[in-house]
Amino acid sequence: EPEVTQTPSHQVTQMGQEVILRCVPISNHLYFYWYRQILGQKVEFLVSFYNNEISEKSEIFDDQFSVERPDGSNFTLKIRSTKLEDSAMYFCASSLILGQGISPLHFGNGTRLTVT
Amino acid sequence: GQNIDQPTEMTATEGAIVQINCTYQTSGFNGLFWYQQHAGEAPTFLSYNVLDGLEEKGRFSSFLSRSKGYSYLLLKELQMKDSASYLCAVQGDYKLSFGAGTTVTVRA
Repeated sequence: EPEVTQTPSHQVTQMGQEVILRCVPISNHLYFYWYRQILGQKVEFLVSFYNNEISEKSEIFDDQFSVERPDGSNFTLKIRSTKLEDSAMYFCASSLILGQGISPLHFGNGTRLTVT
Repeated sequence: GQNIDQPTEMTATEGAIVQINCTYQTSGFNGLFWYQQHAGEAPTFLSYNVLDGLEEKGRFSSFLSRSKGYSYLLLKELQMKDSASYLCAVQGDYKLSFGAGTTVTVRA
């Protein structure tokens, strides 16, 4: 069964450094997402992306965050200057369709980001 | 805004049935999803409802009442491996919003 893959599985960085989290969505999926989950808390929406544009973003997704689909397969999340509170598990997800056409999101295994 | 409520924890015995309730108030609604999440792992899709009524999928069933803003997930013939967090999620136009999850503990 096709799956969403994320690299790296763990990332440790110092406060103020830039990090790029990478994802390869399922190949025929059209919609891509990033979510984060701080330890012990709920899964929080960051951003959705379709047709090379951001469809929606949350309040968490401020100017420090950006997303990119640099080629036909990768989908990246960049955090420009990491803060301690960015420490979390970051999940990438993809789906075939969205909105009134129902299609479940498929999640990658996540990247655990630790900011020290 | 989004408001999705579900109980924090539930405990049940192996072989029993557990029902996890979810109520929601959201600005947009295109469907309700249930996901399972084991500790430290990714959410995995279980079931979804678009229209009112019951959807059955093996040991798992999910119910939706859109007029009441209410759903439940029914887990039958509980197994130890069903111990996990169960996430209720509402799909809007461009995002899926999650509740805080219900941790289900299955005891022998």
